[in-house]
Amino acid sequence: DTEVTQTPKHLVMGMTNKKSLKCEQHMGHRAMYWYKQKAKKPPELMFVYSYEKLSINESVPSRFSPECPNSSLLNLHLHALQPEDSALYLCASSHQNRGNYGYTFGSGTRLTVV
Amino acid sequence: SQKIEQNSEALNIQEGKTATLTCNYTNYSPAYLQWYRQDPGRGPVFLLLIRENEKEKRKERLKVTFDTTLKQSLFHITASQPADSATYLCALAPGPYGNNRLAFGKGNQVVVIP
Repeated sequence: DTEVTQTPKHLVMGMTNKKSLKCEQHMGHRAMYWYKQKAKKPPELMFVYSYEKLSINESVPSRFSPECPNSSLLNLHLHALQPEDSALYLCASSHQNRGNYGYTFGSGTRLTVV
Repeated sequence: SQKIEQNSEALNIQEGKTATLTCNYTNYSPAYLQWYRQDPGRGPVFLLLIRENEKEKRKERLKVTFDTTLKQSLFHITASQPADSATYLCALAPGPYGNNRLAFGKGNQVVVIP
């Protein structure tokens, strides 16, 4: 299995809702990432998990809450989002959190906040 | 401030020709430079990685060069095909150690005309 699987593919949520994005990989990768991408912009790093521990939080607002239940799963819990949070949310994994490994990305969750 | 610059104008190229993309960076000292392909609405796909002490790397019809003096990487697609039409992203990693923040350029769109 050489894929990162993200669910759901599309999500529409109200500003008062709570929802979660899920990401799964079975490649034995020990680093997992959340990126946010707006249209015509580069992916922007949000969180890095290394060996199931949060190692980087890029000053992301607390309405985004990551969780890594085990080495194969990564969740992003969403609460009280704003319309400007609408974007493509990408999960990625790599062998380790080192620059000499390429990342495997999922297809993303297209999030719309209404 | 740190910048990764890629040409914002789309590159239109005739099938069979070589497409050449440029990635320039400032205020980075990357040990690794990576290239990704991204199709609309999909996650980036890892293509190639080149180390700071490597001048050139090849993979099938792809070639990447890395000039740390010029702070520039060139990405070539030889014998281009319509299926190569996509956005190509340059990404920099600071080093081989942990706590890496892979940062992406905005990407350069390539359109291969049959």
